Amino acid sequence: QVQLQQSGPGLVKPSETLSLTCTVSGFIVTTVHCWGWIRQSPGTGLEWIGTVCHSGGPYYNSSLRSRVSMSIDPSKNQFSLDLRSLTAADTAVYYCARATYTSFDFWGQGAQVTVSS
Amino acid sequence: QSALTQPASVSGSPGQSITISCTGTSSDVSNPDFVCWYQQHPGKAPKLMIFDVTNRPSGVSNRFSGSKSGNTASLTISGLQAEDEADYYCTSYRLDRPLFGPGTKVTVL
Repeated sequence: QVQLQQSGPGLVKPSETLSLTCTVSGFIVTTVHCWGWIRQSPGTGLEWIGTVCHSGGPYYNSSLRSRVSMSIDPSKNQFSLDLRSLTAADTAVYYCARATYTSFDFWGQGAQVTVSS
Repeated sequence: QSALTQPASVSGSPGQSITISCTGTSSDVSNPDFVCWYQQHPGKAPKLMIFDVTNRPSGVSNRFSGSKSGNTASLTISGLQAEDEADYYCTSYRLDRPLFGPGTKVTVL
């Protein structure tokens, strides 16, 4: 069974960088699948942040491209998200997920991230 | 602001069938066949219920079915049960990027 476990800070200051990690069990991150990040806030609903693949990408939402980075760490079977220059508008629940070509079939538990001084 | 349109809420009594619509444009919902549906209970992560318009992942009840006609995709829940009360989101692709609908709250009366 594929399981995704998220980790990262719950509170980040404005202008700082958010770093989140997703540890995968039951599946090898360097296979044909890709790995994505999605966030959810009351004001904007579900929003795709980006997708990273072992064999291609990463692919980012154009609205966030200038501030986001994603990578895969095969040695730890993890993938990660960095989001820079945070503002209050980045406050949301952040999810990691396994990406097929057309969907996200396994999700992490979600992590509330609040941007506040 | 999503480019996909869903009704804000749909309700039904136990045992009834309900249908949730998801309307986009010719550049997303109608082509290609990449519409998915997710179920989300409060405080939980979304769960994939339908992919590629009509396909159910392993373990998803056959009470859930998907279809598409033109620019509108639909999710039908048959034999509505209390556990089906949740938010439902459609997704499609626009310019090779996943696009989520605003969500529909399903209430079981």
